[in-house]
Amino acid sequence: RKEVEQDPGPFNVPEGATVAFNCTYSNSASQSFFWYRQDCRKEPKLLMSVYSSGNEDGRFTAQLNRASQYISLLIRDSKLSDSATYLCVVSLQVNNAGNMLTFGGGTRLMVKP
Amino acid sequence: GAVVSQHPSWVICKSGTSVKIECRSLDFQATTMFWYRQFPKQSLMLMATSNEGSKATYEQGVEKDKFLINHASLTLSTLTVTSAHPEDSSFYICSARPRNQPQHFGDGTRLSIL
Repeated sequence: RKEVEQDPGPFNVPEGATVAFNCTYSNSASQSFFWYRQDCRKEPKLLMSVYSSGNEDGRFTAQLNRASQYISLLIRDSKLSDSATYLCVVSLQVNNAGNMLTFGGGTRLMVKP
Repeated sequence: GAVVSQHPSWVICKSGTSVKIECRSLDFQATTMFWYRQFPKQSLMLMATSNEGSKATYEQGVEKDKFLINHASLTLSTLTVTSAHPEDSSFYICSARPRNQPQHFGDGTRLSIL
């Protein structure tokens, strides 16, 4: 079983649609949770952190359920520019200076006109 | 602006060549850096944790003699792919975390071995 599991997609949605991605993680000691966005042939870029209380950043809403070890990302009013691979990332602190990140396989989103 | 700089961004070389990739933290000291590898259509996989002044910690299945890591200063870690072969062709990315900030990634190095 993978440590961080995501539906690989692709999710093909029209502009303006609402789309939701899910992610589950296996290590209950995981401390921090993130969604990263990766464009083709580029490095991942942080989209948002995920908190148990849920957090929203514009059209993006992230949610964490520690009991179920489940993370979600909701994108409202999809834009063409949202097309990318979305990586669910779980973090475990290695030492005072660094966190080890474990990446899900990514969910590919394609927003079409 | 970029907080982690990686160089080179693209390397094409013959089989058997050794390739060095640099990862620098800009404007902050990084006692720990991480090296990842990403094959096409797959996610990033942690290769090793680079520790300043000590040996790197390698993930299971990653050959330490094949992928040499040197973290000689607080702002520089290098990954050397020794005697690279076509199966080593991949996207290599480093990351580091400034204090009280999330992990930042370098731009990545696309390695193609012919």
